[in-house]
Amino acid sequence: EAQVTQNPRYLITVTGKKLTVTCSQNMNHEYMSWYRQDPGLGLRQIYYSMNVEVTDKGDVPEGYKVSRKEKRNFPLILESPSPNQTSLYFCASSLSSMRGYTFGSGTRLTVV
Amino acid sequence: QQQVKQSPQSLIVQKGGISIINCAYENTAFDYFPWYQQFPGKGPALLIAIRPDVSEKKEGRFTISFNKSAKQFSLHIMDSQPGDSATYFCAATIGGTSYGKLTFGQGTILTVHP
Repeated sequence: EAQVTQNPRYLITVTGKKLTVTCSQNMNHEYMSWYRQDPGLGLRQIYYSMNVEVTDKGDVPEGYKVSRKEKRNFPLILESPSPNQTSLYFCASSLSSMRGYTFGSGTRLTVV
Repeated sequence: QQQVKQSPQSLIVQKGGISIINCAYENTAFDYFPWYQQFPGKGPALLIAIRPDVSEKKEGRFTISFNKSAKQFSLHIMDSQPGDSATYFCAATIGGTSYGKLTFGQGTILTVHP
């Protein structure tokens, strides 16, 4: 089944403790992206990648890091999480500009 | 800054009615405008999309209307059904090498009463 898989689905952590949210797609998509969803703000792009080793900042990149060493994986790294990063995070991938993005099921992160 | 503004924030429609969600954009370089549908506990899913060289695109009960001069586009859901109750997001992007950067509107929570 073609899909974008995120792990974990739920995560509660403490301020300052480094964490990684994994994302993997099995569709051989070139484009991958991370979003955060907050009430009233919609989906805001954190980082995106056009291909292996090619990444760029979205609208809210502060406090996040990404890497794209393999085409299928695009992990999101929070080096020192803070409470304002408590949010619902989505990873997505796309084959091309004509196809739209396929989203994962989301990761609900709480930083206390 | 918010480059895509979506309204209304919430919408209640009776079964069989027409749901209309509007979006306005600022960046005239945008050339791909998708709509996404999100059910509770799920990720958004692509619903329908349009490019600015056409004024309307229809897929089943869902229609996008596009007004390039006004920099506005809208989603119309005909014969709305309770199963259409979800959050809807409009989005915009620039194709080609800049495609990866996708900007979303704030979302509209649609409730269709039976």
